[in-house]
Amino acid sequence: EAQVTQNPRYLITVTGKKLTVTCSQNMNHEYMSWYRQDPGLGLRQIYYSMNVEVTDKGDVPEGYKVSRKEKRNFPLILESPSPNQTSLYFCASSFRGLGTEAFFGQGTRLTVV
Amino acid sequence: GENVEQHPSTLSVQEGDSAVIKCTYSDSASNYFPWYKQELGKRPQLIIDIRSNVGEKKDQRIAVTLNKTAKHFSLHITETQPEDSAVYFCAASEAAGGYQKVTFGTGTKLQVIP
Repeated sequence: EAQVTQNPRYLITVTGKKLTVTCSQNMNHEYMSWYRQDPGLGLRQIYYSMNVEVTDKGDVPEGYKVSRKEKRNFPLILESPSPNQTSLYFCASSFRGLGTEAFFGQGTRLTVV
Repeated sequence: GENVEQHPSTLSVQEGDSAVIKCTYSDSASNYFPWYKQELGKRPQLIIDIRSNVGEKKDQRIAVTLNKTAKHFSLHITETQPEDSAVYFCAASEAAGGYQKVTFGTGTKLQVIP
């Protein structure tokens, strides 16, 4: 089954404790992206990757890191999480180029206390 | 960068009526405009999209129109049903060569009243 898988689904952590949210897709998509969803703000792009070893900042990259060492995986790293990073996070993937449907993961609800 | 504004933020309609959601964008370089539906507790899913070289696209009860000159696009849902209740997001995307960026609107919560 074609899918985008995120882990974990739920995470509660403390300020400053490094964490990684994993994202994996099995559709051989070149393009992968991370979003955060906050009430009233919609989905905001954090980082995206056009292909292996190619990443670029979205609209809200501060406090986040990503890596793309393999085509299927695109982890999101919070080196020192803060309470303002409490949010619902979505990973998405698509074929590269104009007009390609983005497939979203099931979401990760992160709470930083 | 791109800025996408979406209105209204909430919309209630009676079952069977039509619903219209409007978005405006700022960057004339945007060339792809998808609409996503997100049901409560679920992931966003594409319902319809339009490219900048097309003015209108229809898929059964849903349609999208694009006015490039005015930089706005709209989602039209006819004969609404309770299962249409969800949050709808518009987005504007620019894809060219080695660059592909997506900006979403803030969402419209649609409630269809039986």
